[in-house]
Amino acid sequence: DTAVSQTPKYLVTQMGNDKSIKCEQNLGHDTMYWYKQDSKKFLKIMFSYNNKELIINETVPNRFSPKSPDKAHLNLHINSLELGDSAVYFCASSLGTGWTQPQHFGDGTRLSIL
Amino acid sequence: QKEVEQNSGPLSVPEGAIASLNCTYSDRGSQSFFWYRQYSGKSPELIMFIYSNGDKEDGRFTAQLNKASQYVSLLIRDSQPSDSATYLCASYSGGGADGLTFGKGTHLIIQP
Repeated sequence: DTAVSQTPKYLVTQMGNDKSIKCEQNLGHDTMYWYKQDSKKFLKIMFSYNNKELIINETVPNRFSPKSPDKAHLNLHINSLELGDSAVYFCASSLGTGWTQPQHFGDGTRLSIL
Repeated sequence: QKEVEQNSGPLSVPEGAIASLNCTYSDRGSQSFFWYRQYSGKSPELIMFIYSNGDKEDGRFTAQLNKASQYVSLLIRDSQPSDSATYLCASYSGGGADGLTFGKGTHLIIQP
């Protein structure tokens, strides 16, 4: 039973291309997130959505556009990919907002820009 | 700016000993703290979280929180080689669907 699933697991593409990463959770959670983990393993929040509404955009370039068609899905579209976008992108979800709600992570999508 | 600091390690501990992982945070408004374990090439896996001062125990793991000192720790008793991983400390400061602020992680090696 996959709780938070992301596709694809690996994504190799050329600079300037546009790509999307999909995320789905079957936990019944209301809140979903995108994190970026760079080559130094530093994990940083990019976006969060609560009930399909954007709550956080942590100064992410507008080449990155999240879309949430429903509570169970949060997709990430990236335009005009750059070398610095190479990283592992993790989707996560939590039951709700609030300080007692732990976040559960997907397996990550490793994005490599050639 | 919210920051979470961890010693990157590696921290080497003999099998069967207690591993002690430490974390400090800058935002006094942080309300809760999470410890995640991440194996190489894998996703972060929640171990436990704490939001009250003092100790919280779960099996071989004990989380400790001291809000006055802005300090969080994780103790792993009877360390096993399978505990070898990177341990990420994260804080939550609230204010809606806030993301977690992560430290850079401590690489723990349990020596058989």
